[in-house]
Amino acid sequence: GQNIDQPTEMTATEGAIVQINCTYQTSGFNGLFWYQQHAGEAPTFLSYNVLDGLEEKGRFSSFLSRSKGYSYLLLKELQMKDSASYLCAVTGGFKTIFGAGTRLFVKA
Amino acid sequence: GAGVSQSPSNKVTEKGKDVELRCDPISGHTALYWYRQSLGQGLEFLIYFQGNSAPDKSGLPSDRFSAERTGGSVSTLTIQRTQQEDSAVYLCASSLGGAGHITDTQYFGPGTRLTVL
Repeated sequence: GQNIDQPTEMTATEGAIVQINCTYQTSGFNGLFWYQQHAGEAPTFLSYNVLDGLEEKGRFSSFLSRSKGYSYLLLKELQMKDSASYLCAVTGGFKTIFGAGTRLFVKA
Repeated sequence: GAGVSQSPSNKVTEKGKDVELRCDPISGHTALYWYRQSLGQGLEFLIYFQGNSAPDKSGLPSDRFSAERTGGSVSTLTIQRTQQEDSAVYLCASSLGGAGHITDTQYFGPGTRLTVL
């Protein structure tokens, strides 16, 4: 079957670093996406990984290991506005599968 | 440019009634997706359109749900004989292509919040 696992919730402190993990088992793999979704809003694109390694984009970085079926999203210098759900999504063939999302709470 | 738009933004209906939800994708995007999201839950895939290919309907929860995409652009999701468990936010997304590349980045509409009384 196809499966994407993420922790349900995480809490971190403003200014800190947090790592959100995602493991996946899918019948195909063409790329992995991370989306951010604030409460009551639609998801928005954060990052895309297709090759192994780290992709850095300002305060956000995303890592992929295809052999391990593993990715993480790293958020640095956390801000209160980073409180949101973070969705891991895998594209295999012509289908994209979303994980249930990790709800991140940033506290002062 | 204009993003993905959905209408209505909110819909309250009575159990047993039919509803139609509309999605206008970004112009030029060949792929269109419908998802359902219950409060505090992840995205539940419903249906996927890619160009002129037959849609992937594998996520539709029952035969009360159907969707069409006219002229490769606007899509309508229809729910017949609505039930209380259909209450959720229905999100539409579009992408440039569906080949699993960066062009598969999905741009989401604001959603339609459906409440079935």
